[in-house]
Amino acid sequence: QITLKESGPPLLTPTQTLTLTCRFAGFSLTTSGVGVGWIRQPPGKGLEWLALIYWDDEKRYSPSLKTRLTITKDTSKNQVVLTMTNMDAADTATYYCVHSHMVRGVVPPFDPWGQGTLVTVSS
Amino acid sequence: SYVVAQTPSLSVAPGQTARIACGGDNIGSKSVHWFQQRPGQAPVLVIQYDFDRPAGIPERFSGSNSGNTATLSISRVEAGDEADYYCQVWDMGNDHPHWVFGGGTKLTVL
Repeated sequence: QITLKESGPPLLTPTQTLTLTCRFAGFSLTTSGVGVGWIRQPPGKGLEWLALIYWDDEKRYSPSLKTRLTITKDTSKNQVVLTMTNMDAADTATYYCVHSHMVRGVVPPFDPWGQGTLVTVSS
Repeated sequence: SYVVAQTPSLSVAPGQTARIACGGDNIGSKSVHWFQQRPGQAPVLVIQYDFDRPAGIPERFSGSNSGNTATLSISRVEAGDEADYYCQVWDMGNDHPHWVFGGGTKLTVL
């Protein structure tokens, strides 16, 4: 069974850097085709994809946020870390960690998702 | 950047069929995935690759994709189907591959 769990600070002040950790179980990020990503959802609003890292360390970022995002992995700890710089009130959201597994080169859906962690940015 | 559009809300009586649309330029050439998000919960995949149901998803859920519209259909709607539904596609977008979500459709069961 694949599980993912996000952790991070519940509250940040504007301009701070957000560091989120996704700890996962039930799969290995050394397996060919496997990826772990991040998606966020502001309160009462829709979903926004942020970043994804693959087993081979290839990284993908949202075009609109790529200058602020860094995604890394630690396969020995089964975790993925996302950092987002220069946080603003507009970045207040629930941040989800997701699993994906590409097979035969076909881009897969995100499944499953972690429970999410709410991050509030306020002065 | 590729844009997908969803009707913000839809109301359906129990037992009827809900059809939730996801519109995008030639979306029929892309694979569309659908997620259900119940209040206070994380999204759950209900349809992948346009029409395939993941394990554990009821047969009442089905999908189609052609032209400029992908559709999630829920037959014999139940109270438990009340949720937000999001479509998602992957877009190559000028050598910057990225994932795009529709704005979501809130399904209300009357």
